[in-house]
Amino acid sequence: GAVVSQHPSWVICKSGTSVKIECRSLDFQATTMFWYRQFPKQSLMLMATSNEGSKATYEQGVEKDKFLINHASLTLSTLTVTSAHPEDSSFYICSARPQQGYEQYFGPGTRLTVT
Amino acid sequence: RKEVEQDPGPFNVPEGATVAFNCTYSNSASQSFFWYRQDCRKEPKLLMSVYSSGNEDGRFTAQLNRASQYISLLIRDSKLSDSATYLCVLYYGQNFVFGPGTRLSVLP
Repeated sequence: GAVVSQHPSWVICKSGTSVKIECRSLDFQATTMFWYRQFPKQSLMLMATSNEGSKATYEQGVEKDKFLINHASLTLSTLTVTSAHPEDSSFYICSARPQQGYEQYFGPGTRLTVT
Repeated sequence: RKEVEQDPGPFNVPEGATVAFNCTYSNSASQSFFWYRQDCRKEPKLLMSVYSSGNEDGRFTAQLNRASQYISLLIRDSKLSDSATYLCVLYYGQNFVFGPGTRLSVLP
């Protein structure tokens, strides 16, 4: 149980375009989903916390107009990187927390390369 | 002081060795504690939750000391497949806070 999927797993896009990443909890309902970014050899950095049906809470320094988060249902959250630039190239990982308990389960990540 | 600090590592140990990692945290309001492992270029995977009484899962033992605000993870009889980065994670309020991780390499 507690499986989280992400799509796509790998994407290359041109500078200035937008990329949408989907995060789904497959076998449980997630009131809260989290979006992280990880640069090579660095720790996970929380970008935003997303609650179903409400606006996401962004961490300091994360531009909410650039990283659009939509948590439309208890099993789906999306992150859209708008007007992507090469410095946005990173490993984006989502996680989902079941309605019961404090554990969070991670998706397999999306590796974004902006050329 | 960082919210979560871990042994800097890397730890290079031979197969079969016992290795221990420590993690200290600064926020006494932390409610829950976890150890995750992350393989290179992969997502973190939950290894075990950490309870006040300490808990064991096979070769892995986790301990929590709230008074001293530290968590430990002990791995016995280490296997090559244990090679990974081990992340100490805290939860309080609605926030998960990750430590920087300790890298373990188990050598044949």
